[in-house]
Amino acid sequence: NAGVMQNPRHLVRRRGQEARLRCSPMKGHSHVYWYRQLPEEGLKFMVYLQKENIIDESGMPKERFSAEFPKEGPSILRIQQVVRGDSAAYFCASSPPSVISSYNEQFFGPGTRLTVL
Amino acid sequence: KNEVEQSPQNLTAQEGEFITINCSYSVGISALHWLQQHPGGGIVSLFMLSSGKKKHGRLIATINIQEKHSSLHITASHPRDSAVYICAVNPYGGATNKLIFGTGTLLAVQP
Repeated sequence: NAGVMQNPRHLVRRRGQEARLRCSPMKGHSHVYWYRQLPEEGLKFMVYLQKENIIDESGMPKERFSAEFPKEGPSILRIQQVVRGDSAAYFCASSPPSVISSYNEQFFGPGTRLTVL
Repeated sequence: KNEVEQSPQNLTAQEGEFITINCSYSVGISALHWLQQHPGGGIVSLFMLSSGKKKHGRLIATINIQEKHSSLHITASHPRDSAVYICAVNPYGGATNKLIFGTGTLLAVQP
């Protein structure tokens, strides 16, 4: 059973370009979370998605950032018109569906290191 | 003030020493997690706790819900334990399952 997969592992973009980060959750997992780790800072929640639905996007910047988790295919975190401050490690995590409660263990991907020149 | 605080921020130990990393939180939680991150590497989940104590190999995690405090202990530490250890919590209530993270403890175990 493959773990959470993210690609690319490293992404370099120039200011103003678009960045697309992909996350394939573990098999059977229907919940995806995106977290950002800025240099020298801790991890911060960005968005929580289930298939075809955004459940909580309270951590997403209001502009330029969007996320989706389509019925088929990986979850995508999209950053438009990147700026240097977007340089960070972006981690995806996934968890299985639960009808009981909200505190499922989350399994993390290896992260995508985005560098904006 | 962060909702999740860890101490110490940096810790250097000699191989074989017993290590304790502390985590305090200020929100109601449904679970607490201890995570490990190696430099430039991914994140590995070590423990998920909602009460009591868990042990895995040389690692022990405890939580006191009333005091809103958790500790991660490493017995017989080894240089390969060198990493950043991160405490994270699932805040209680709501539809979200998001994690709130502490800033991490950088552990260096010297041979």
